[in-house]
Amino acid sequence: QVQLIQSGAEVKKPGASVKVSCKASGYTFTSYDISWVRQAPGQGLEWMAWISGYNNNTNCAQKFQGRVTLTTDTSTTTAYMELTNLRSDDTAIYYCARDRITGTTHWFDPWGQGTLVTVSS
Amino acid sequence: SYELTQPPSMSVSPGQTARITCSGDALPKKYAYWYQQKSGQAPVLVIYDDSKRSSGIPERFSGSSSGTRATLTISGAQVEDEADYYCYSIDSSGSHRIFGGGTKLTVL
Repeated sequence: QVQLIQSGAEVKKPGASVKVSCKASGYTFTSYDISWVRQAPGQGLEWMAWISGYNNNTNCAQKFQGRVTLTTDTSTTTAYMELTNLRSDDTAIYYCARDRITGTTHWFDPWGQGTLVTVSS
Repeated sequence: SYELTQPPSMSVSPGQTARITCSGDALPKKYAYWYQQKSGQAPVLVIYDDSKRSSGIPERFSGSSSGTRATLTISGAQVEDEADYYCYSIDSSGSHRIFGGGTKLTVL
């Protein structure tokens, strides 16, 4: 079955960077994009960015431009999300999800289990 | 900026029908999707393309969309359906991927 397994929880200081991994299995990695979505404590879901599993094209929400870097390693079928210049309000659970497409609409299924990133001095 | 609007919470008794709405100006032209998130767990796809039930989702879950409103219906809600439900779609330009604010469903 399709699975996305993410790396473990991280604690970082303000100004630092974090890199979260997402290992995919159960499907052809290069046939699908991967999206990243975050959820601050007690808050809703917020889409951050996506990367093509085929050609590494990326796109991200405007608020994350300049701070988010997405990469993939097709040899290990793993996607990575690096967030730089961390602030306290970046404390959140970060999810990866496989992108699906209907027409021009991208959606997400399934999701990884999530990675808690805590930013604290 | 584009928004999807959901009621923050609702409550039903077991066996009753729960209808969770999601309003957005682009919904007449864009599909709506529904995700269920139980406490401490990752979101799970419930409904895609407005009304198609995802694999493994019980038949009591259904989706519909009319005009600027999409609706998730749980017919005969069970205690195990207690969760946060998020609608999702994109704006008319296709550039922005948006989640609704989420609806906390209580079944008791």
